[in-house]
Amino acid sequence: QKEVEQDPGPLSVPEGAIVSLNCTYSNSAFQYFMWYRQYSRKGPELLMYTYSSGNKEDGRFTAQVDKSSKYISLFIRDSQPSDSATYLCAMGLDNYGQNFVFGPGTRLSVLP
Amino acid sequence: DVKVTQSSRYLVKRTGEKVFLECVQDMDHENMFWYRQDPGLGLRLIYFSYDVKMKEKGDIPEGYSVSREKKERFSLILESASTNQTSMYLCASSLTGDGYNEQFFGPGTRLTVL
Repeated sequence: QKEVEQDPGPLSVPEGAIVSLNCTYSNSAFQYFMWYRQYSRKGPELLMYTYSSGNKEDGRFTAQVDKSSKYISLFIRDSQPSDSATYLCAMGLDNYGQNFVFGPGTRLSVLP
Repeated sequence: DVKVTQSSRYLVKRTGEKVFLECVQDMDHENMFWYRQDPGLGLRLIYFSYDVKMKEKGDIPEGYSVSREKKERFSLILESASTNQTSMYLCASSLTGDGYNEQFFGPGTRLTVL
């Protein structure tokens, strides 16, 4: 079993839809949970991070962590064509980047 | 505006060649990282450095070496390129401090080894 699993997609949705992206993980000791967005031919950029459990909201984006189920989610409300990208989840035991484990990414297309 | 730049966007090399990938950051970050990104596998850490002249192996260091002679520059070296090193290479940097230290990524170098 991989340490972090993520559905690779591709996921296609119409503009305005609510998008749900998910990752599951096996290491119950993870404390830091991140979502990155990666546009084609670009490097990943941090969207949100959460420490421990709970929800975090930033504009149209909401990150949820369910440590009991070892499951994290990213919700995108009112999705836009500009949200079309690959979304990577990442997690770590601590806040040291060298210890982060990345998921393979989900490719999202938002159709106008 | 924070910036991590990588010397080449695309590179094509032949098996056995020595390959240098350069990364420069302008944020005075202590930490720098080299990852490779392959479909279905996510980002895998090759090497990282937490200070000038310091380096630590990541998860997949075999076939690679690194150099950090200046704080802003971190080089990845493929001593003898092989076809299984065809990949997207990403450089990142971050600060060291309390709380969460965001990693900033460069645009990547897509390396093809023939």
